[in-house]
Amino acid sequence: AQSVTQLGSHVSVSEGALVLLRCNYSSSVPPYLFWYVQYPNQGLQLLLKYTSAATLVKGINGFEAEFKKSETSFHLTKPSAHMSDAAEYFCAVVPPGTDKLIFGTGTRLQVFP
Amino acid sequence: DGGITQSPKYLFRKEGQNVTLSCEQNLNHDAMYWYRQDPGQGLRLIYYSQIVNDFQKGDIAEGYSVSREKKESFPLTVTSAQKNPTAFYLCASSTKGYCFGEAFFGQGTRLTVV
Repeated sequence: AQSVTQLGSHVSVSEGALVLLRCNYSSSVPPYLFWYVQYPNQGLQLLLKYTSAATLVKGINGFEAEFKKSETSFHLTKPSAHMSDAAEYFCAVVPPGTDKLIFGTGTRLQVFP
Repeated sequence: DGGITQSPKYLFRKEGQNVTLSCEQNLNHDAMYWYRQDPGQGLRLIYYSQIVNDFQKGDIAEGYSVSREKKESFPLTVTSAQKNPTAFYLCASSTKGYCFGEAFFGQGTRLTVV
């Protein structure tokens, strides 16, 4: 079944450092791909989405993600981490030909001063 | 303001009881979803609905039931058959077409068995 894999359940960075959160999808046909963020005891908020229009996608709060078909990846990056970025981040996919929204297991980002 | 509302925020269930979690949206979205969130397991899909009076099982539907009698509402019942119901439950909605998958989430209901 189509799924997404997030490498690293926890990532720690210093404030001002590069943030890189990894996501790989399993499909020969590019699906719709999304990154969501969740703050403690809250629902999820959409950061950005890929729907085949452009491979480099810019989202909110300075985040961006690059779709790489050859690597079946959709990694999330931010050039300079801020304390307020500390949260859990989920990669999600809508597999081609389906109407399901499937989430990865999440990566918890910690930002140290 | 448009949005998606879940209630209650906290819910306690005794062994053997059925409980119903409410989810209402005023975004005019066609699709609605229920997810269960457990630490380290991400969000797992329980049920989803693309249209009124129709819904499909997700990956972990056993012990749960839903209805979709109105476009705005998608309540989830946790039945006594669900052996480990303690979790954080999230409801979401999404429109169809190009924006499909851009889901809006409620604030969640934390269910605890006592």
